[in-house]
Amino acid sequence: GAVVSQHPSWVICKSGTSVKIECRSLDFQATTMFWYRQFPKQSLMLMATSNEGSKATYEQGVEKDKFLINHASLTLSTLTVTSAHPEDSSFYICSATQGSGAYEQYFGPGTRLTVT
Amino acid sequence: ILNVEQSPQSLHVQEGDSTNFTCSFPSSNFYALHWYRWETAKSPEALFVMTLNGDEKKKGRISATLNTKEGYSYLYIKGSQPEDSATYLCASSPITGGGNKLTFGTGTQLKVEL
Repeated sequence: GAVVSQHPSWVICKSGTSVKIECRSLDFQATTMFWYRQFPKQSLMLMATSNEGSKATYEQGVEKDKFLINHASLTLSTLTVTSAHPEDSSFYICSATQGSGAYEQYFGPGTRLTVT
Repeated sequence: ILNVEQSPQSLHVQEGDSTNFTCSFPSSNFYALHWYRWETAKSPEALFVMTLNGDEKKKGRISATLNTKEGYSYLYIKGSQPEDSATYLCASSPITGGGNKLTFGTGTQLKVEL
């Protein structure tokens, strides 16, 4: 149980275009979903927290107009990287939790984004 | 400690060896400490969530301890097997933000050789 999928697993796009990444909880309802980013040799960094039906909360330094997050249902959250630039190339990974507080977060397998 | 730090960065052991890693985290405003195992091309797998000082949790050959006063946690693997090869991540969450905003360390990469 507690499986999270992510699609696509990797994507290459041209500079200036937008890319959408989907995160789905397959066998549970996710009250909260999280989006992380990892640059080479660095740790996973939280970008934003989203609750179903409400606006996402972004971490300091993360541009909300550039990284659009939609959490339309209890099983789906999407991250859209708008007007992508080469510096947005990174590993993006989502997680989901069934509750708030000290609950396990279940992670997807991640998406490797390369912007050319 | 302001950030979450893990040591060592990488580790090579022989099959059957026991090993341990360290995770240091900010002790102030502490809420929970999470351990994950992350194999290449797979999703990070949750191992433990610990909240109380002195907590000790065990899952098979893997166990973890927590010291919230001094801000560290140890992960132990007894009798390492090749399938234990993975990156082990720890993450702490503060009370502020609802207790589920994780700050990760960079991980300890474990390689178990036959």
